[in-house]
Amino acid sequence: QVQLVQSGAEVKKPGASVKVSCKASGYTFTSYDINWVRQATGQGLEWMGWMNPNSGDTGYVQKFQGRVTMTRNTAISTAYMEVSSLRSDDTAVYYCARSGPGVGASAGYWGQGTLVTVSS
Amino acid sequence: DIQMTQSPSSLSASVGDRVTITCRASQSISSYLNWYQQKPGKPPKLLIYAASSLQSGVPSRFSGSGSGTDFTLTISSLQPEDFATYYCQQSYTARTFGQGTKVEIK
Repeated sequence: QVQLVQSGAEVKKPGASVKVSCKASGYTFTSYDINWVRQATGQGLEWMGWMNPNSGDTGYVQKFQGRVTMTRNTAISTAYMEVSSLRSDDTAVYYCARSGPGVGASAGYWGQGTLVTVSS
Repeated sequence: DIQMTQSPSSLSASVGDRVTITCRASQSISSYLNWYQQKPGKPPKLLIYAASSLQSGVPSRFSGSGSGTDFTLTISSLQPEDFATYYCQQSYTARTFGQGTKVEIK
């Protein structure tokens, strides 16, 4: 069965970086895009961007460009998302989600979420 | 950027009620519209994709309709397990979520 298992909760200081991992299993990792979505406590869902694990191509929401980097290690079927220059308003649960194949595809499988807390 | 506006932001309903949630896109998105359900502490769950296609395993009381800019999620007979927050998402270009609709017990 398809599973996305994310790394554990993180506590970081303002200005630091955090790297969240998302290990995929149960399917061919390079055949489906990985999306990253975040959700601040009590707030809605915010799509951050996507990555094609086959090509490594990425696309980021403009507000995150320059501060977010999505990468992958195909040998271990794992996607990563790194956020740098953390601020308090980056405190949120971060989700990876598998979408596709195909243009305009929905996200049918989600990781369990990783809580990132930014606090001095 | 495409903006997605859901209404209402919240609603109160009883078990057995018919519930309708609407989602409007700031420009035409054809049928690239998905609906998700989220319960507290859990990741979202895909209900409907491509505006009206029911995701495998999702009860048939859920249905979606619309195209272009206006879309609707309908729950034909609300069940206790349906109390949750619902989000629309456009997948026409990049992705954008609506702000969510919380369905509460009346």
